[in-house]
This record gives sequence, structure tokens and C-alpha cells, in this order.
Amino acid sequence: AQSVAQPEDQVNVAEGNPLTVKCTYSVSGNPYLFWYVQYPNRGLQFLLKYITGDNLVKGSYGFEAEFNKSQTSFHLKKPSALVSDSALYFCAVRDKYGGSQGNLIFGKGTKLSVKP
Amino acid sequence: DGGITQSPKYLFRKEGQNVTLSCEQNLNHDAMYWYRQDPGQGLRLIYYSQIVNDFQKGDIAEGYSVSREKKESFPLTVTSAQKNPTAFYLCASSRTGTTSHNEQFFGPGTRLTVL
Repeated sequence: AQSVAQPEDQVNVAEGNPLTVKCTYSVSGNPYLFWYVQYPNRGLQFLLKYITGDNLVKGSYGFEAEFNKSQTSFHLKKPSALVSDSALYFCAVRDKYGGSQGNLIFGKGTKLSVKP
Repeated sequence: DGGITQSPKYLFRKEGQNVTLSCEQNLNHDAMYWYRQDPGQGLRLIYYSQIVNDFQKGDIAEGYSVSREKKESFPLTVTSAQKNPTAFYLCASSRTGTTSHNEQFFGPGTRLTVL
């Protein structure tokens, strides 16, 4: 079965420090992986995705994510956190070969809190 | 501006009533989706449509219905059969259907509360 795990409900970081939001996945084939961000009472905004190729993917607002096939992980990172990065972050996976009818499977979300 | 609009932003329903949530996109996307978001549970797929006049059930379709008569529009009806409809509802669209790497674009959401 396809699944995504975000093991931390909340991550707290001081402004200016690096941040990591963790994501691990399980699919039967090769994955497409996505990160989205949600601000309060808003829809989700796309940050970045991994399709194939370079394991380090760069996205919007200075975020990047590293695909690690052996650890089945796709952690979201940013070298220097901003207070405005505080939001809810979702990892999602799609099985490239159409498992689960090809639908996106979302993690439960990680709340990032960046303190000044 | 291109994008996805959802209306209303807030909706209140009395028990036993059906209500319809609107979703419109002008991105010329083929695929559209409805998700339900509850605190601590992430997003769960209700229905999706890969092409006009066709749609499929997602993981939690019971108590919901949809139509896809136009490419731009994918309204969701929450029926009285849905026992716990209070939630945040998100509509999304993507350029092509489910077996692609295209990201989904989300609307701003509708918060439904049952009184």
C-alpha cells in the first residue's frame, strides 16, 4: 500500500537557523514526491517536486528537498528559517506506475514554528 | 489572474440539508479533485475527475456527490447522508490526470460547519 509519513507533528526553529521537515514514503514502484505549504485558512501552495534525476530539488522561497531512495525519504530543508515560514507543511507521494489509482497520498502535515 | 476559486468561503448547514460547494478553474486543466481536511488527518480524497462528464470516487466518497458538466467547474454536494460534514474542503486541479507528475493547484477552501 502507498503511504507517506511525517513523523513530527511540530517542528520549532529559531529564525536564522536551518530547518528540516521530515518525510518518508512507501510506494510499490518509483515515486513522484511533492511538498506543499498551507497558511492558516488557506489552500495548499506547491513548493517543489521530485520526478527523476538530481536527488536535490530546489523549490520556491528558498526551500529544497533531498530524495534518498535507500532511506525512502524526501526531507524538506531551508538553510536559514524566516518567521514567515511558519505554516503547515505537507509531503505527498504518487506512484509513478499508477498505484492507488495514481492519486496523491498526503502525509498528515507538520506544523513549522519559527521564533524570532 | 489564472487560478482556482471556491465559494463560499464559509458555509453553515443545518442537519438534514444538502449543500453545494462551488469550484471553478480557469487554468484549462483537465483534472479536478475534492479533498476534505480535518485537524491532524491531512487531506483525504473525496472525488476526482480526469475529464469532462467523468468522475471517480476517492477514499471517502460516501455522503458526497459531484458533477463535471464543464471543464472549468467541479461542484461538490454534501448530502444529508454525510454524518460528520464539518470540515475544511479543498478543491484542486492539475494539467493532466492521476498518472502524471503534474502538481496540483489548490483553491482557497470552503469551511463547512453543521449547526
